[in-house]
Amino acid sequence: KAGVTQTPRYLIKTRGQQVTLSCSPISGHRSVSWYQQTPGQGLQFLFEYFSETQRNKGNFPGRFSGRQFSNSRSEMNVSTLELGDSALYLCASSLEWRGVEAFFGQGTRLTVV
Amino acid sequence: KQEVTQIPAALSVPEGENLVLNCSFTDSAIYNLQWFRQDPGKGLTSLLLIQSSQREQTSGRLNASLDKSSGRSTLYIAASQPGDSATYLCAVRPHYGGATNKLIFGTGTLLAVQP
Repeated sequence: KAGVTQTPRYLIKTRGQQVTLSCSPISGHRSVSWYQQTPGQGLQFLFEYFSETQRNKGNFPGRFSGRQFSNSRSEMNVSTLELGDSALYLCASSLEWRGVEAFFGQGTRLTVV
Repeated sequence: KQEVTQIPAALSVPEGENLVLNCSFTDSAIYNLQWFRQDPGKGLTSLLLIQSSQREQTSGRLNASLDKSSGRSTLYIAASQPGDSATYLCAVRPHYGGATNKLIFGTGTLLAVQP
């Protein structure tokens, strides 16, 4: 059974650019959540999606956005990149939107220069 | 505002020791609590999920307990091995009066098991 797949694994972008990260959840899972991990702030919740609808959003600026498709795959987008956006972005997959176990992908390492 | 703290921040033990990692949270209104491990530069691996109505869960050499009223969870690792070296994270799923899969993470415990 395939796990959570995140692409790309590594990205280097320049300040001011935008970036799109992709997450394919475990087959049959319908809930996807996104997290940002940095050495200073730890793991912070970005947003969660279920059935193509955003159910919860963390305390991040509007430059961070996301969406979920009908096949449950999800993308997150960061516009006007800042140096502080450099982080490991992790996607979590869950079967339902009812507080069930979360399974994480390997993450996308974004470096903004 | 829910805050999750893990003590100690780092721990080094010789192989074979039994050890306990601690996690505390400020708001007892949680759906469940999940323990993860993270290897350097990698994603998170789920270890155990404890529902708010449960007191403990076991998986192999791992045992996690939950005392919701006091805001505490512990992860017990028996007979530690060098392969257990990783960062261990606990996360609570807050109960806002509705379902959510949002996780609030602790600061992590970096474990090193010396051969």
